[in-house]
Amino acid sequence: VQLVQSGAEVKRPGASVRISCKTSGYVFYSYAIAWVRQAPGQGLEWMGWFSAHNGSTMYAQSLQGRLTLTADTSTATVYMELTGLTSDDTAVYYCARDMWFGEKSPLQHWGLGTPVIVS
Amino acid sequence: DIQMTQSPSTLSASVGDRVSITCRASQSIGTSLAWYQQKPGKAPKLLVSQASGSDIGVPSRFSGSGSGTEFTLTIYGLQSEDFATYYCQQYSSYSTFGRGTKVEIK
Repeated sequence: VQLVQSGAEVKRPGASVRISCKTSGYVFYSYAIAWVRQAPGQGLEWMGWFSAHNGSTMYAQSLQGRLTLTADTSTATVYMELTGLTSDDTAVYYCARDMWFGEKSPLQHWGLGTPVIVS
Repeated sequence: DIQMTQSPSTLSASVGDRVSITCRASQSIGTSLAWYQQKPGKAPKLLVSQASGSDIGVPSRFSGSGSGTEFTLTIYGLQSEDFATYYCQQYSSYSTFGRGTKVEIK
C-alpha cells in the first residue's frame, strides 16, 4: 500500500489549497481515505473522511463549509481542498487509509505529509 | 463532538521502565479506540486498534486496554526507539485525537 502526496505549498491568506493523495497497492474502492493535519509543534487534528466506495464524506465541524474531499477514480487519487486560508491553517497535511471497510476504522497506512504555509 | 482527554502530556522515563498513558472519552465509545506513535518529522504509526488489538509488526511490549470511556496504553520495558509522542484516537463517531503524550528520556 502506498499513499503519495503532492508537494509543499505556500499560499496567501484568503487563498485555497488543493492537495492530492495518489493511492496504489490495494483495491481503491474498498477503503476510505481520511485527512489529518498537524500545526507546527501541535497535535493531530482529524479533518475529514472520504469513502472511495460510494463517494460519501464526513467533515470535522470546525472545517465545514471550507473543506471538500473528492476523488478521481480513474487514477485512484483523492483530493483535499481547503478554502479561505488563514495562518491557522499552516500545518502538515496527511492522507491516511482506513484499516478496514466501513465508517468506523483506525488509520493503518499514511502518506508522508504535505507542508502548507499560509503567509 | 466526542472529546478525548489524554494524560500525562509529558512523561519522563528510563530504558526498561513500564509506562502507562491514559485516554478518557467524553462519552462511551465502546472499543473504537486506536493508539499511534509519532516521531519527529514522520507520519504517525498505528500501534493498537479496537482498544487492545496490536497492528501487524508492532512489538508485544505495547499493550492497549479499556472500553467505554477509559483506555490505557502500556509499554512494558521501554526501549530507546520508543521515545516518541503517542496519540489516542476515537473513531466511534466521526473521529477525534487526544492531545498527545511525549515520552522523553529521564
